[in-house]
Amino acid sequence: AQSVTQLDSQVPVFEEAPVELRCNYSSSVSVYLFWYVQYPNQGLQLLLKYLSGSTLVKGINGFEAEFNKSQTSFHLRKPSVHISDTAEYFCAVSGGSNYKLTFGKGTLLTVNP
Amino acid sequence: NAGVMQNPRHLVRRRGQEARLRCSPMKGHSHVYWYRQLPEEGLKFMVYLQKENIIDESGMPKERFSAEFPKEGPSILRIQQVVRGDSAAYFCASSRDRGRDNEQFFGPGTRLTVL
Repeated sequence: AQSVTQLDSQVPVFEEAPVELRCNYSSSVSVYLFWYVQYPNQGLQLLLKYLSGSTLVKGINGFEAEFNKSQTSFHLRKPSVHISDTAEYFCAVSGGSNYKLTFGKGTLLTVNP
Repeated sequence: NAGVMQNPRHLVRRRGQEARLRCSPMKGHSHVYWYRQLPEEGLKFMVYLQKENIIDESGMPKERFSAEFPKEGPSILRIQQVVRGDSAAYFCASSRDRGRDNEQFFGPGTRLTVL
């Protein structure tokens, strides 16, 4: 079984500041890792994913994440945020089953002017 | 290429009524997944279906909930005799296959409110 912990439920930042959203996971098998973004009253959109290879993954909208196997983490970063990045961000993992996504509780990123 | 379609977007039911949620996967996708999002929670897996088959229903409540994905038409998540605790957002996702590079594309969700 897998589990995902998103350490911060809310992260307020100012526009153009850097941001890091933290995600830790636990699993007894090799995992695939994902970050999704959910804008108000919308579905989830995939930001980026780690399947294998380079531990630094680049996604859409200027986001990137780094897979750290020893720390079982997959933190999401962006060097300079915009107002439009205000949304809920979910970290997710899939393991041996290769299809069942396990999600964290989400982090609400609020970008203030 | 249209994305995953879900309808209705909002559904209000009184306790004891039935709720039917529909999901049309993306064109070319034959794998459908249903997830439930309770308030202030992440999404929880409910069921995984391929055409005419339930592959994994380990996340479905044992009673009142059922799902199908017929040969023709959308996938249906059915909740009988709804209770207030069923109030949640229900998301459908679809994928082309279940292989290694398996991206699940999510629909906009159906927000169910039970009065």
